[in-house]
Amino acid sequence: QVQLQESGPGLVKPSETLSLTCAVSGGTVISSSWWTWVRQSPGKGLEYIGEIYHSGAATYNPSLKSRVTISVDKSKNQFSLRMKSLTAADTAVYYCARVRYDFGEGHKIDKWGQGTLVIVSS
Amino acid sequence: DIQMSQSPSSLSASVGDTVTISCRATQNITTYLNWYHQKPGKAPTLLVAVASNLQSGVPSRFTGSGSGTDFTLTISSLQPEDFATYYCQQSYTSPFTFGPGTKVGVK
Repeated sequence: QVQLQESGPGLVKPSETLSLTCAVSGGTVISSSWWTWVRQSPGKGLEYIGEIYHSGAATYNPSLKSRVTISVDKSKNQFSLRMKSLTAADTAVYYCARVRYDFGEGHKIDKWGQGTLVIVSS
Repeated sequence: DIQMSQSPSSLSASVGDTVTISCRATQNITTYLNWYHQKPGKAPTLLVAVASNLQSGVPSRFTGSGSGTDFTLTISSLQPEDFATYYCQQSYTSPFTFGPGTKVGVK
């Protein structure tokens, strides 16, 4: 049973860079799955940030693409999110999750981490 | 981006009721529509993929339907554990956008 666990700072200052890591257990990042970051804020609801395959191929939400990098570390069985130039609007719960592209079912997010609250404030 | 809307934004129901939630996309997404539910303080959970495919372990009282731009999630005989917020998500093209949610509360 795959489990995901986010880690990172809960408080970040405006204009700084956020770094979050998602540890994968009970499975491997080197699988047929993609790995994604989704955030949830009161103002914008659930927002897809982007996703990555173990090959390093990644896709991003165009609205965030200029500020976001998602990477994967196969040796540590984890993947990461970096978001730069933070503002208060980036305050949200950040979830890491697994994406499955099963035949006939397209893109679906079937495993989620518990989420980590990130507050952007000075 | 494809925009998703849901109606109603909230509803009140009793155990045993049948509840219907609607989701609409701003363009044709065929059947690439997922449904999730979320309880306070928890991550979302996948219920239905491609409009009508119930995921493993999801009770049969959940039914998804629709295609094109209009979709529906029906919960028959509502159970206490079903009080939650429900989100639709289009899986047709990136960015994979979510609806704003429908909160199912206790009457």
